[in-house]
Amino acid sequence: RKEVEQDPGPFNVPEGATVAFNCTYSNSASQSFFWYRQDCRKEPKLLMSVYSSGNEDGRFTAQLNRASQYISLLIRDSKLSDSATYLCVVSRLSGSARQLTFGSGTQLTVLP
Amino acid sequence: GAGVSQSPSNKVTEKGKDVELRCDPISGHTALYWYRQSLGQGLEFLIYFQGNSAPDKSGLPSDRFSAERTGGSVSTLTIQRTQQEDSAVYLCAIISMQTQYFGPGTRLLVL
Repeated sequence: RKEVEQDPGPFNVPEGATVAFNCTYSNSASQSFFWYRQDCRKEPKLLMSVYSSGNEDGRFTAQLNRASQYISLLIRDSKLSDSATYLCVVSRLSGSARQLTFGSGTQLTVLP
Repeated sequence: GAGVSQSPSNKVTEKGKDVELRCDPISGHTALYWYRQSLGQGLEFLIYFQGNSAPDKSGLPSDRFSAERTGGSVSTLTIQRTQQEDSAVYLCAIISMQTQYFGPGTRLLVL
């Protein structure tokens, strides 16, 4: 079983739709959680951190459920420019090293 | 992005040749990571450098892969006797404020 699992998609949604991505992680020692966005043929870029209380950044809402080891990302009023692959990332300390584990990503295409 | 440059941006080589990929982060970041991303796949951890500590090489797929970091800054990833399955994007990343920032990557194609 992978340490971080995501539905690979693809998700094809019309402009203006609301779309939700889910992610589960297996290592209970995971401490920090993130969503990254990766455009085609580009490097991953941080979209937002995920906090236990849930957090929102404009149209994007992230949730964390530590008990269920589950992370979600909600995109409201989706735009064409939201089309990308969304990577779920968990982080933990291993000794003095910060280890980040990436999910394989969920592909989103927003259609006009 | 965020102060990490990589070179070359693209590399085409023949099977069996050695290649060297370079990562040049802005100064002051002691942690440096290398990842590999094959077409349509997630990121695969390769190696991690932290200050003067011994690097974490646990992700290197074979002994043909090696990396070094000189002077706590520039890092090079070397692949010896390249194979076609080594074709991928090789990404370097630093840690800043507990999050990772990636360089633009080197696209390696082994023919």
